[in-house]
Amino acid sequence: AQSVTQLDSQVPVFEEAPVELRCNYSSSVSVYLFWYVQYPNQGLQLLLKYLSGSTLVESINGFEAEFNKSQTSFHLRKPSVHISDTAEYFCAVSAPGGSYIPTFGRGTSLIVHP
Amino acid sequence: GAGVSQSPSNKVTEKGKDVELRCDPISGHTALYWYRQSLGQGLEFLIYFQGNSAPDKSGLPSDRFSAERTGGSVSTLTIQRTQQEDSAVYLCASSLDPNYEQYFGPGTRLTVT
Repeated sequence: AQSVTQLDSQVPVFEEAPVELRCNYSSSVSVYLFWYVQYPNQGLQLLLKYLSGSTLVESINGFEAEFNKSQTSFHLRKPSVHISDTAEYFCAVSAPGGSYIPTFGRGTSLIVHP
Repeated sequence: GAGVSQSPSNKVTEKGKDVELRCDPISGHTALYWYRQSLGQGLEFLIYFQGNSAPDKSGLPSDRFSAERTGGSVSTLTIQRTQQEDSAVYLCASSLDPNYEQYFGPGTRLTVT
């Protein structure tokens, strides 16, 4: 079985500042990793994913995450945040060949202040 | 193309009543998931369908909860004899492959009074 830990429940930051949302996972097998974003009163939507290949993955709105196997991490970063990035962010892991149930972290609330 | 849709978007019901929540997944997606999200909480897995069968029902919180999927498409989550602790947002997601990314619906907000 796999598990996901999002170390920060809430991250306040000022607009145009950089941000890092942390995600650590544990698994006995190889994994796929995902970040989802949930805007207020909406469902979750995929932000970016790591399946294989380059360990650095990017989204269309400036977020990036790096798969670090040795540290079992998949932290999400953005060099300069906007007010519109205020949302809940969920890290998730699935184990191909294992359970078909992905495991989600408890979420990190990113609050961007003007 | 159409995404995952859920109905109703909001449901207010009295304690003890039964409710049905509907999910229309993306066409061709064989995997379908139901989750529950309580205020300020993460996602609680309820049930997973592959086609019409449910290989994993481990997340259903009690025997008052049941779900079915027909024609490999629409799914219905039924809660019998609702309790106040059932109040939450119920999210449905579908996926082309169970290990790949999921596409979520907007959710049904259930309030039990």
